[in-house]
Amino acid sequence: NAGVMQNPRHLVRRRGQEARLRCSPMKGHSHVYWYRQLPEEGLKFMVYLQKENIIDESGMPKERFSAEFPKEGPSILRIQQVVRGDSAAYFCASSQLARSTDTQYFGPGTRLTVL
Amino acid sequence: EDQVTQSPEALRLQEGESSSLNCSYTVSGLRGLFWYRQDPGKGPEFLFTLYSAGEEKEKERLKATLTKKESFLHITAPKPEDSATYLCAVWGGSNYKLTFGKGTLLTVNP
Repeated sequence: NAGVMQNPRHLVRRRGQEARLRCSPMKGHSHVYWYRQLPEEGLKFMVYLQKENIIDESGMPKERFSAEFPKEGPSILRIQQVVRGDSAAYFCASSQLARSTDTQYFGPGTRLTVL
Repeated sequence: EDQVTQSPEALRLQEGESSSLNCSYTVSGLRGLFWYRQDPGKGPEFLFTLYSAGEEKEKERLKATLTKKESFLHITAPKPEDSATYLCAVWGGSNYKLTFGKGTLLTVNP
């Protein structure tokens, strides 16, 4: 049973370019969460999505960041006009239900480096 | 706002030397406290969920306990393969997010 899949694992972008990070949840999971881990910082929640709906985006920066989880295909985290401060590890997690009794399982992450 | 503080930031143990990691939290209406393990360059790996004060869970050399203000991860007779960063997170209130601490980097020397 495949776990949460993320690609690419490593992504290098120059300032001003766009970054697209993909996340395929575990089979049977319809809830996706994105977290960001900055150097020397803990994991920070960004956004929670269900199929075709953004449920909670309280952790997303107001500008340049967007997320989607279409009916078909993976969830996408999009960062426009990247800056050096966007360099971080971005993790996706999925759960079967959105309850505290339901574990969030994490993918291996995408490490974004902005030159 | 939910807050999680983990201590110590780093811990070095000799193989077989038992110890505990601490996770202090403040949360509005705890719905769950989670422990994860993270190896370098990898995503967090789920270990335990605790829901109410007094609850305990065990897995191999690890045992997690919960009070109203903190959780402990006890490591009994650790081995070098237990070396990792251990993360604590809480899920509280009516939101859907996990709030993480910065983690404890555990190193077990042979």
